[in-house]
Amino acid sequence: GAGVSQSPSNKVTEKGKDVELRCDPISGHTALYWYRQSLGQGLEFLIYFQGNSAPDKSGLPSDRFSAERTGGSVSTLTIQRTQQEDSAVYLCASRTTVSSYNEQFFGPGTRLTVL
Amino acid sequence: AQSVSQHNHHVILSEAASLELGCNYSYGGTVNLFWYVQYPGQHLQLLLKYFSGDPLVKGIKGFEAEFIKSKFSFNLRKPSVQWSDTAEYFCAVTAYSGAGSYQLTFGKGTKLSVIP
Repeated sequence: GAGVSQSPSNKVTEKGKDVELRCDPISGHTALYWYRQSLGQGLEFLIYFQGNSAPDKSGLPSDRFSAERTGGSVSTLTIQRTQQEDSAVYLCASRTTVSSYNEQFFGPGTRLTVL
Repeated sequence: AQSVSQHNHHVILSEAASLELGCNYSYGGTVNLFWYVQYPGQHLQLLLKYFSGDPLVKGIKGFEAEFIKSKFSFNLRKPSVQWSDTAEYFCAVTAYSGAGSYQLTFGKGTKLSVIP
């Protein structure tokens, strides 16, 4: 597609439930990132994928958070046993590693609300 | 680890006023610098970027930024703002990490409100 897409755009869940957020990066982009945008913390890095592997998971806030990427394309961020503090906008970004420029292109985000 | 600070949380200007948003970063090595903009209801978009060369970079919609290495600053400027510039502006930096991730470290953002 022309840009990074994410689904769902909005997700409301109850505390304790698991959620899955999906990201479709720009075709051909081998690098994929997840970020979280929350009122108190601003924009924070969560995890980085190069192809299907995640060499940098340093931003994941707890072991309730996990992510995978398959086929070097679609990525899924899973949050288990959601807590109210997980409420945020989850952003996905991708970039090409072919170029030396490190510009990242962002998707529209998934707004997660944990009740 | 690098960090980014943006000095202003909320800036209110009248149309045609000049704009300067401050951004300072802390990192001792080579960095790449970015300004992203988020218009109401829209996703983050790149406004401009600095990788190397001329420290004065020009971006879209008449924005420019100047990299001053000695001050660790990358301030965003526009000589005359328009109502359509109302948005949130984020300064960000990337630097090489051992994992090769080049993840973005963002400032907290500055909300700009332009009054017609």
